[in-house]
Amino acid sequence: DAGVIQSPRHEVTEMGQEVTLRCKPISGHDYLFWYRQTMMRGLELLIYFNNNVPIDDSGMPEDRFSAKMPNASFSTLKIQPSEPRDSAVYFCASSFGTGGSPLHFGNGTRLTVT
Amino acid sequence: ELKVEQNPLFLSMQEGKNYTIYCNYSTTSDRLYWYRQDPGKSLESLFVLLSNGAVKQEGRLMASLDTKARLSTLHITAAVHDLSATYFCAVGRRETSYDKVIFGPGTSLSVIP
Repeated sequence: DAGVIQSPRHEVTEMGQEVTLRCKPISGHDYLFWYRQTMMRGLELLIYFNNNVPIDDSGMPEDRFSAKMPNASFSTLKIQPSEPRDSAVYFCASSFGTGGSPLHFGNGTRLTVT
Repeated sequence: ELKVEQNPLFLSMQEGKNYTIYCNYSTTSDRLYWYRQDPGKSLESLFVLLSNGAVKQEGRLMASLDTKARLSTLHITAAVHDLSATYFCAVGRRETSYDKVIFGPGTSLSVIP
């Protein structure tokens, strides 16, 4: 299996622009998580899905952030409009249940907003 | 609210020495994970601990779980430079019918020759 695939690997954009991050989970996994990692705040859970349904988005920082999972093999995290404080590494992870199975992480998207 | 703490946050140790990283969490949990992250890289799963008293070992790393104390430890035996990385614990908790996974702040480990 190719693992969790995220794109793009790096994104540099100007403040006010729309940013879309993409994630393809491992086939057969029913949970998908979006995390944001910064030096100051560590790894923050933004939102997670079960069977394509958003379960908890309480970690989404503002209305500027939105996430979708239109099918079992694709998810997006959108920021509109972007701000410099959104600069971070965004990780997507998937798992099969969460009982005894670890979360498998993608390589992350490093977002820089200037 | 589920909170996860780790200590120490930074650890510098000499090769060949032993040390323990501690992970405390605030509410009952269904499972405990340990991950490793190298600089600029993704997170790699090390262990999943599911029950009180669980112990797992892989090479020089051994993890244990005490659910009554809400404590997990990651013990490093005879450290080598290749173990230098940031180690995260994460706690899984079932809320309503679904599973939430929250990470600790990480312990940055530097093994010095």
